[in-house]
Amino acid sequence: GQQLNQSPQSMFIQEGEDVSMNCTSSSIFNTWLWYKQEPGEGPVLLIALYKAGELTSNGRLTAQFGITRKDSFLNISASIPSDVGIYFCAGPSLGNTGKLIFGQGTTLQVKP
Amino acid sequence: EPEVTQTPSHQVTQMGQEVILRCVPISNHLYFYWYRQILGQKVEFLVSFYNNEISEKSEIFDDQFSVERPDGSNFTLKIRSTKLEDSAMYFCASSKGANTGELFFGEGSRLTVL
Repeated sequence: GQQLNQSPQSMFIQEGEDVSMNCTSSSIFNTWLWYKQEPGEGPVLLIALYKAGELTSNGRLTAQFGITRKDSFLNISASIPSDVGIYFCAGPSLGNTGKLIFGQGTTLQVKP
Repeated sequence: EPEVTQTPSHQVTQMGQEVILRCVPISNHLYFYWYRQILGQKVEFLVSFYNNEISEKSEIFDDQFSVERPDGSNFTLKIRSTKLEDSAMYFCASSKGANTGELFFGEGSRLTVL
């Protein structure tokens, strides 16, 4: 079935550093999404990518939809303590029912 | 800003008891979902619901689970006879369409089965 694999599993960085995380799949996705989950909350959509090769920014966040449609990365520049959380990549499954498949998540901790 | 609301935020129940988790999706959304997240693990799809019927369900969503939209605003998840392994965070989500992936999640209901 469709699966998403994220790396790294966790990151512990210093405030001000840039961060990069990756998501890959063995199958093609036509949409790639990045969600963030803070402790005790539900996932919140950060960036949505709809076109292969697309590079999209949202403030300090930048994400790219890989040209093969099998991967995506998310970069965070100049990290701050409130960037702490779990970052999930996600993609809609086949079938047009709205179902999202999530990666395992990358846990980010930022040291002030 | 409109949001998805869920109740209760935390429920503790004995194994074998029935549990109903409630959600109020965003009012102009047409697609509704339940996901669950076991502590420290990824978010797993349970069920999607559109036009008053289930449009897709996962293998986790067995006969012990059911969903209902009893009125124009609520969307509920019922677990008929809870098991220890049902302990998890349950997230309700809604979306306007089915193919954008832009889901809005509630804050979750933590279910603890003893």
